[in-house]
Amino acid sequence: GAGVSQTPSNKVTEKGKYVELRCDPISGHTALYWYRQSLGQGPEFLIYFQGTGAADDSGLPNDRFFAVRPEGSVSTLKIQRTERGDSAVYLCASSLGQPITGELFFGEGSRLTVL
Amino acid sequence: QKEVEQNSGPLSVPEGAIASLNCTYSDRVSQSFFWYRQYSGKSPELIMSIYSNGDKEDGRFTAQLNKASQYVSLLIRDSQPSDSATYLCAVLGGSQGNLIFGKGTKLSVKP
Repeated sequence: GAGVSQTPSNKVTEKGKYVELRCDPISGHTALYWYRQSLGQGPEFLIYFQGTGAADDSGLPNDRFFAVRPEGSVSTLKIQRTERGDSAVYLCASSLGQPITGELFFGEGSRLTVL
Repeated sequence: QKEVEQNSGPLSVPEGAIASLNCTYSDRVSQSFFWYRQYSGKSPELIMSIYSNGDKEDGRFTAQLNKASQYVSLLIRDSQPSDSATYLCAVLGGSQGNLIFGKGTKLSVKP
């Protein structure tokens, strides 16, 4: 498909475990975003990549969260020592990137449940 | 802290009526504003963008922007039950490129 692809769609883990969430953006999109969304809330910004570099990681809540995009395409969001409060839907989005616009294309999300 | 504020609703309107959704934002340097629609259990999708003061119309949707008042609104004319969703206001902040979302307003259009 031509859309943003996220895997896994659902992840259930235990408190304290390590989790990786993957995002494959639309081909040619240089900008990639990670958001998380809790029930009844809007998407909360985590990090934004322009190419391989993190242009803005000010939304990462603490040092347990880390994201990479080594080749400027696929990105992985990594969460260490998961806590119950990390349970949410993690949304990835991409955009053309230049110029910077707010026209984001979202994937279907990865639902993380921490027991 | 850049903030985008929306009334969470729910906003209930009868079919055929006009639905009015409102949003305020805190960052005066913001230049770009967006409305996303999110159906229950689905991801947000862009429906409108607006960059200049005034109105922008696209079919049954009209976005309105007033930068002096830091206010954005979305009007949906001839509302349909298929418009029932959560509407997210989003603001592109400064030069950083990150898009900040409000909590969303849940709209219910009753047949």
